[in-house]
Amino acid sequence: QVQLVESGGGVVQPGRSLRLSCAASGFTFNTYGMHWVRQAPGKGLEWVAIISYDGSKTYYTDSVKGRFTISRDNSDNTLHLQMNSLRAEDTAVYYCAKDPLKFGYSFGHGLDYWGQGTPVAVSS
Amino acid sequence: QTVVTQEPSVTVSPGGTVTLTCASNTGAVTSGSSANWFQQKPGQVPRSLIWLTTNKHSWTPARFSGSLVGDKAALTLSGVRPEDEADYYCLLYSGGAWVFGGGTRVTVL
Repeated sequence: QVQLVESGGGVVQPGRSLRLSCAASGFTFNTYGMHWVRQAPGKGLEWVAIISYDGSKTYYTDSVKGRFTISRDNSDNTLHLQMNSLRAEDTAVYYCAKDPLKFGYSFGHGLDYWGQGTPVAVSS
Repeated sequence: QTVVTQEPSVTVSPGGTVTLTCASNTGAVTSGSSANWFQQKPGQVPRSLIWLTTNKHSWTPARFSGSLVGDKAALTLSGVRPEDEADYYCLLYSGGAWVFGGGTRVTVL
């Protein structure tokens, strides 16, 4: 069965960096695009980024462009989110999620399976 | 900057039918918007219901269906059950990014 397990969250000061990881299993990781989605406390969902199945294309929401980098290691089935210059407004639970379509377009087709999420708190 | 708009809240009776909509400020929602729908209950991880406007996942109950209605994406819940009480979010693709709507709280009363 598909499993996505995030790690790397925690408390960090504004301006510092954090790297999130998502370990994938139960499917052929290198054939699906992968997303990051976040949810601030008591708020709605916000899409963050997507990476194509081969890692060649990435897309970001405007608020994280230039600060966050999505990447993947298809040799060990892991997705990453490098978050630099963190701000208080980046405080959220971060979820990794799988795209539904194998070998899909680089910008993806949506989300099917989600991880349990990892919390990030940016505070001094 | 794309803004996706959903009804803030709706109330439906058990056994009834309700349609939630999802609009974009950039124009009509089309098949190219690749609408997705998600359900989230308090304290839980979101659950995917619909992708590419009308496609159900293997776990999506038959009473949920996705469509385009006018210039919006729509999620219809038929034969509503008490356990359908939740927040529902749509997700649209627009110009190189995905954007969630603000969510609709569905109350079953």
